[in-house]
Amino acid sequence: DTEVTQTPKHLVMGMTNKKSLKCEQHMGHRAMYWYKQKAKKPPELMFVYSYEKLSINESVPSRFSPECPNSSLLNLHLHALQPEDSALYLCASSQGDRGAEAFFGQGTRLTVV
Amino acid sequence: RKEVEQDPGPFNVPEGATVAFNCTYSNSASQSFFWYRQDCRKEPKLLMSVYSSGNEDGRFTAQLNRASQYISLLIRDSKLSDSATYLCVVFDTGRRALTFGSGTRLQVQP
Repeated sequence: DTEVTQTPKHLVMGMTNKKSLKCEQHMGHRAMYWYKQKAKKPPELMFVYSYEKLSINESVPSRFSPECPNSSLLNLHLHALQPEDSALYLCASSQGDRGAEAFFGQGTRLTVV
Repeated sequence: RKEVEQDPGPFNVPEGATVAFNCTYSNSASQSFFWYRQDCRKEPKLLMSVYSSGNEDGRFTAQLNRASQYISLLIRDSKLSDSATYLCVVFDTGRRALTFGSGTRLQVQP
């Protein structure tokens, strides 16, 4: 089973709202990632969690706040977003952070109004 | 210079054609390489890993040339269902995460 599950699939939020994106995997993977993808562009790395600890933050604005409650779950908390933050947010996981392939969830398509 | 560079295409080919995609990467210390496929408005899906010895999976063949820092993907006997964006992906040892090329769009026509 190479399934990574993301919820919700679609989200529309106002600039004053607080919302959370959720990601879950049951493959025993110890590295989890958040990527952001704009239309016609490749995915761009936002955060890396390795063994439940934040290891990489790609200078992401603080209005995006990641959380890894346990080895199977990864959240992305959103607050005071801007319309330009509208994008596809992809969660991925891999066995470790040493170069194994990563598997992606279906993504959350976020629209900020 | 971009970390991973690909020709964006589009490549428009007839069914049954053979098509090749190329990719170059800038970090000579990179260790892991992949091709992912992404359909419109969907997530990237792993197509195959790429090894120095070359590897084949059905109609798909991937090759890595470490000396030239060059990765290739060959698709034989193209099907309509092969139409997608093909992403060249390199594991960034510094950030310990995948770095994506901009993708090459393939359109297979009947």
